[in-house]
Amino acid sequence: AQSVAQPEDQVNVAEGNPLTVKCTYSVSGNPYLFWYVQYPNRGLQFLLKYITGDNLVKGSYGFEAEFNKSQTSFHLKKPSALVSDSALYFCAVRASSMDTGRRALTFGSGTRLQVQP
Amino acid sequence: DTGVSQNPRHKITKRGQNVTFRCDPISEHNRLYWYRQTLGQGPEFLTYFQNEAQLEKSRLLSDRFSAERPKGSFSTLEIQRTEQGDSAMYLCASSLGSLAKSGETQYFGPGTRLLVL
Repeated sequence: AQSVAQPEDQVNVAEGNPLTVKCTYSVSGNPYLFWYVQYPNRGLQFLLKYITGDNLVKGSYGFEAEFNKSQTSFHLKKPSALVSDSALYFCAVRASSMDTGRRALTFGSGTRLQVQP
Repeated sequence: DTGVSQNPRHKITKRGQNVTFRCDPISEHNRLYWYRQTLGQGPEFLTYFQNEAQLEKSRLLSDRFSAERPKGSFSTLEIQRTEQGDSAMYLCASSLGSLAKSGETQYFGPGTRLLVL
C-alpha cells in the first residue's frame, strides 16, 4: 500500500521569508511524486512533480521540491513567500511500476500555508 | 477555457435521491479519474478510465456508485440512494498517458460539491 504523510496541519511564515512544507511517502519501488495547491472552493492546481533524474525539481510560481530517496521525503520549498501563496498544499504519490496497473494518486491530508504580510 | 470542466458545481439533494455528475476532460486526454474529497482531507481515489474502459475501482466505490465514459470523452458519476455520508467534493481529473509516458500529470477540474440533507 502507498501512503503520504504531511506532518504539519499548518505552516505560518512571514512574507519574504523562505518556506518549507514537509512530505514523506511510502510506496513499493520507485515513486512518482507530485505537489498540488488548492485555493478555497477550487480544484487542485498542479505545481510540480518528480519522475526521475535531478532530485531538485522546479515548478510553477517559484516553488521547488527536493526528492530524498533515503529519507523518503519530497519537501516543497520557496525562497521567498508571498501573501498570495496562502492556500492548502497537497503532496501525492504513485508507484512508478506498472506491474499492478495502478494509476491512482494517493494524497496526504494537506498542509495549510499562511503567509503573513 | 481548455481545462477540465465539471457540472454542476454544487448539488443539494435529499437523502435517498439519485444524483449524477458530469466531467469533461481536457480535449484528447485518454485517461480520466474520479476522486472524492471530504472536509479537511486530501482527495481519495474512486475510479479510473482509459478511453472508455474502466480499469481501476477503489473499495470506496460502493454498489451505489457507478461511473461511465461511454465514448471515451466525457464521464458521468452517479450516486444512487444518496446518504448523508456521501456529502463531499467530487473531483475529476484527466491526463494524457501512454506506455512511454507513465508519469503523466493529472489535471483537476473545479469539482462538484454535494450536500445530502
